[in-house]
Amino acid sequence: DAGVIQSPRHEVTEMGQEVTLRCKPISGHNSLFWYRQTMMRGLELLIYFNNNVPIDDSGMPEDRFSAKMPNASFSTLKIQPSEPRDSAVYFCASLTWGLGTEAFFGQGTRLTVV
Amino acid sequence: RKEVEQDPGPFNVPEGATVAFNCTYSNSASQSFFWYRQDCRKEPKLLMSVYSSGNEDGRFTAQLNRASQYISLLIRDSKLSDSATYLCVVNGVSGAGSYQLTFGKGTKLSVIP
Repeated sequence: DAGVIQSPRHEVTEMGQEVTLRCKPISGHNSLFWYRQTMMRGLELLIYFNNNVPIDDSGMPEDRFSAKMPNASFSTLKIQPSEPRDSAVYFCASLTWGLGTEAFFGQGTRLTVV
Repeated sequence: RKEVEQDPGPFNVPEGATVAFNCTYSNSASQSFFWYRQDCRKEPKLLMSVYSSGNEDGRFTAQLNRASQYISLLIRDSKLSDSATYLCVVNGVSGAGSYQLTFGKGTKLSVIP
């Protein structure tokens, strides 16, 4: 397996534009997480899916953020409209819950909103 | 109290030194514990799981103290390649009643020649 795949790797957009981040989890994993990382706040959990169903979205900052997982092999995180304070690295991770659970991360999307 | 708390560092140590990081967690119902490593501008990767009895992997030793709700990581004989940020991770039940992995902000280690 190629691991968790995220796209794009880098995104620069203007304030007010819509941004869509994409993630393909590892095949067979049943849980998928979206995290945001900044220097100030570290890694923050935004939303978490189990078997494609959103379980906990309490970390989504506001209504401008939305996430979907239409099937087991694809998820999107959308920001509309984007703001400069959304600039961060966004990571997707997947795992299967069990003893010795290990979360595998994608390489991240570095988002810059100007 | 933050859910998972770590000293941000940086810890600047010479090659060959022994360095220890601590982490505290607030949810006493947390079930499993991990240390992840994150290199600059890279994604986090699992370094080791942490077991109640303590566990060792080469130069790395992890300990868990459930009574005091803290986790430690000891690195012996530090190498230049150990320079990274070390993230403490706790698996517990969130307020929404679901399992989730909660990350500390990380402790930055720089090993100096």
